[in-house]
Amino acid sequence: ETGVTQTPRHLVMGMTNKKSLKCEQHLGHNAMYWYKQSAKKPLELMFVYSLEERVENNSVPSRFSPECPNSSHLFLHLHTLQPEDSALYLCASSQDAANYNSPLHFGNGTRLTVT
Amino acid sequence: GNSVTQMEGPVTLSEEAFLTINCTYTATGYPSLFWYVQYPGEGLQLLLKATKADDKGSNKGFEATYRKETTSFHLEKGSVQVSDSAVYFCALSDYSGGGADGLTFGKGTHLIIQP
Repeated sequence: ETGVTQTPRHLVMGMTNKKSLKCEQHLGHNAMYWYKQSAKKPLELMFVYSLEERVENNSVPSRFSPECPNSSHLFLHLHTLQPEDSALYLCASSQDAANYNSPLHFGNGTRLTVT
Repeated sequence: GNSVTQMEGPVTLSEEAFLTINCTYTATGYPSLFWYVQYPGEGLQLLLKATKADDKGSNKGFEATYRKETTSFHLEKGSVQVSDSAVYFCALSDYSGGGADGLTFGKGTHLIIQP
């Protein structure tokens, strides 16, 4: 298997649930990212990890908690979400977070619906 | 700060028509510029990129030229196909701030090609 794989593809959860999104990259990259894609809005960068250390957190609410146990895996733990958190959550990786010429490789996303 | 502005659409064209999707940007440094494409139900894929002024990126019949004087990176294709129907995102990456900021994206342009 190659590229960036995200699971699950679809997730429906209530506001009191706790769930996790998973991302795995098979590209040997050193940086991983979480983006939020909402209708009619630009992609929002949520978190950046470089060599398993968080290097960027764009003022994301604490109900979103990332985890990067190694350079190939990235999780997004969700708890007590709000309906406005419903969106497509995209994981991406790149060779090196410090090299801004390095393109991002995206997974197919998890479509999250909060009821 | 950095920003990307692109026409939102939807843009509807007939097959074999000429395509232009406009993109302009503001950046604090000297950015690299990218076009990504998102097909239905999938994540974003890199379409082409340019890293310095007057560079032309090209792929799959699409091309875009980095115009520093007009801060633009318009996407063009001479003859579109139904299979080109997708959402196209213009993006920039600017490391002058010293941080791992990922990419700054525009809102995306939905392109619909009719047979």
